[in-house]
Amino acid sequence: GAVVSQHPSRVICKSGTSVKIECRSLDFQATTMFWYRQFPKKSLMLMATSNEGSKATYEQGVEKDKFLINHASLTLSTLTVTSAHPEDSSFYICSGRGAADTQYFGPGTRLTVL
Amino acid sequence: QKEVEQNSGPLSVPEGAIASLNCTYSDRGSQSFFWYRQYSGKSPELIMSIYSNGDKEDGRFTAQLNKASQYVSLLIRDSQPSDSATYLCAVNIRGRDDKIIFGKGTRLHILP
Repeated sequence: GAVVSQHPSRVICKSGTSVKIECRSLDFQATTMFWYRQFPKKSLMLMATSNEGSKATYEQGVEKDKFLINHASLTLSTLTVTSAHPEDSSFYICSGRGAADTQYFGPGTRLTVL
Repeated sequence: QKEVEQNSGPLSVPEGAIASLNCTYSDRGSQSFFWYRQYSGKSPELIMSIYSNGDKEDGRFTAQLNKASQYVSLLIRDSQPSDSATYLCAVNIRGRDDKIIFGKGTRLHILP
C-alpha cells in the first residue's frame, strides 16, 4: 500500500505558541489530503480537506484562522496550529487520497499543549 | 439516518472463532467501500477495499458488499488476540463532494 509520513510524531509546546505538522505522501501523488483530529477513545473527526494549489475546505466548527493548512505540492501538506491552547491537545492525523478513492493515513502527531 | 453506521461494541469473540463486523450506509449511489483497523493510540490502517457486490477475500479477512441492502461487512476468520482493535467502515458519499465518510467504529475484543 501507499505510504504517508508525518512529522513530528510527538510535540509538546507551551500555550500560545504555534506548531507546524508536516504530512508527506512518499510513493504516490496526493492531489487531495485530509486532516483529522482524534481525542482519546473518540471517533476520527475530519477537520479539513486540502487540495493541491488551492485553499483548504474546512468542516463546520473548525476555525480556519487557528488551523492553517497549506498544500504546496502533490506530496506535501502542512497543518499549523496557531496560538495553541491546552484544549488543542489531541492526536492529529493526515491522510492522502490515492487511486480508487482509497485514503492512506499517516502515523499521526500527538500534540500536548502545556 | 446517519451516513455510515456501525455498532460501537464492544464485540467479544473467542480466539479462533469468526468475528463479524457490520456497517450500513445511506447513499445508494456509493461506489467505494473500505475497512480500516485502528489500534489504540495509532492511526487507521487499510485492511480491505471493495467496489462490487459479493465477497472479496484476503487472507483471514473477507469483505462482503450488498448494494441493494446498503450493507457492507467484514469477516475475520480464526480470530487472534492481535485482531483486537477498533474497525472503521468507510464509504464514499457522493453528496458530500465524494468524500469518504467514516463510521464511528466497532471495538473488537478477541478473548484468549
